[in-house]
Amino acid sequence: KNEVEQSPQNLTAQEGEFITINCSYSVGISALHWLQQHPGGGIVSLFMLSSGKKKHGRLIATINIQEKHSSLHITASHPRDSAVYICAVKGPNTDKLIFGTGTRLQVFP
Amino acid sequence: NAGVMQNPRHLVRRRGQEARLRCSPMKGHSHVYWYRQLPEEGLKFMVYLQKENIIDESGMPKERFSAEFPKEGPSILRIQQVVRGDSAAYFCASSRNPQVPLHFGNGTRLTVT
Repeated sequence: KNEVEQSPQNLTAQEGEFITINCSYSVGISALHWLQQHPGGGIVSLFMLSSGKKKHGRLIATINIQEKHSSLHITASHPRDSAVYICAVKGPNTDKLIFGTGTRLQVFP
Repeated sequence: NAGVMQNPRHLVRRRGQEARLRCSPMKGHSHVYWYRQLPEEGLKFMVYLQKENIIDESGMPKERFSAEFPKEGPSILRIQQVVRGDSAAYFCASSRNPQVPLHFGNGTRLTVT
């Protein structure tokens, strides 16, 4: 079993829909990252969080440390949101990231 | 204010040749991380370096792979005697310190023929 599990693996949506991507992890962590990988392959860091909730534009990330679970929400989705979204965690005594396998999102007009 | 620069963007090598991948971190960033993404797989940590020091190389294969981050110049990931299984996208990321988000480069796609 992977230390970081994401669901769903694939997700399709109509433009305007509310999207939720989930991440569960089985190890103790000091921080959790949400990343976006574009079809061209580049990776952008969306959020880094260790508790609570963060918001940036139409994106919201939440984390529940007790339940070892995080969610990434996209409100009013748009075709340009189509990408692979990756959850990654960092342990308390290390600086290396452990990655989930990603959620491939396609938003259709 | 340039982001993390990786070059080359694409690299083709024959089996047995050497591959050298370069990463120039963002200005002011002294922490560099290398990750590998095999085809249809997730990202995997390889190595974490600070200027002139390897901090954690637990994700790097013991043979044929080496990394450096000299006082001057880019970080280099070197793969000797490449094999087909080394074909992957190699990403570099940098940060000012480990407590802040990473900035990723666009990756180097290595193809071994």
